[in-house]
Amino acid sequence: DSGVTQTPKHLITATGQRVTLRCSPRSGDLSVYWYQQSLDQGLQFLIQYYNGEERAKGNILERFSAQQFPDLHSELNLSSLELGDSALYFCASSVSQGSSGELFFGEGSRLTVL
Amino acid sequence: AQSVTQLDSQVPVFEEAPVELRCNYSSSVSVYLFWYVQYPNQGLQLLLKYLSGSTLVKSINGFEAEFNKSQTSFHLRKPSVHISDTAEYFCAVKGSARQLTFGSGTQLTVLP
Repeated sequence: DSGVTQTPKHLITATGQRVTLRCSPRSGDLSVYWYQQSLDQGLQFLIQYYNGEERAKGNILERFSAQQFPDLHSELNLSSLELGDSALYFCASSVSQGSSGELFFGEGSRLTVL
Repeated sequence: AQSVTQLDSQVPVFEEAPVELRCNYSSSVSVYLFWYVQYPNQGLQLLLKYLSGSTLVKSINGFEAEFNKSQTSFHLRKPSVHISDTAEYFCAVKGSARQLTFGSGTQLTVLP
């Protein structure tokens, strides 16, 4: 158990809909990262927050947004969903802004868009 | 910019045989290098890492990796694999960017 909690574990929805994925980092970790894992794209970095502020942005679509709340949990919002958004979305956390790079991953939220 | 190439997408190997999973990286600055493992239906877990010092790093379950700066490689090896080593293995690099960049993964399948 990494200590990172993600909900929901599975989500099935239709095209055009909006979903919210939630992540609770390990106790004491200030950084939260979101990654998307799909068969064709592999593991892609989406966005990082540190202590409530956005720190780095990767290949995140404009239809997607995220935030980190004062209690350090984070949410990833996916809107106007398309079939291609079907993927496993991972949240990871670390103590710092990532100087040593060690991340602790949750078990992921599997999104299926029909 | 930083990138990682894992040369083999699938590696089947018989139990108790040795294995090497290959990883090459590209970065314009000094790097930190990592191997993560993903068991079925689980998240990624750190297997081992190179930050500095000795170029040979080892995990608690018998894997080792060697940082080779001249060849920009960080190959993962194990002298004798077990069925329980079946998983997907990801090489990752952290150079100038704040975040880790992962390779495409190598599925290691250990056959009885």
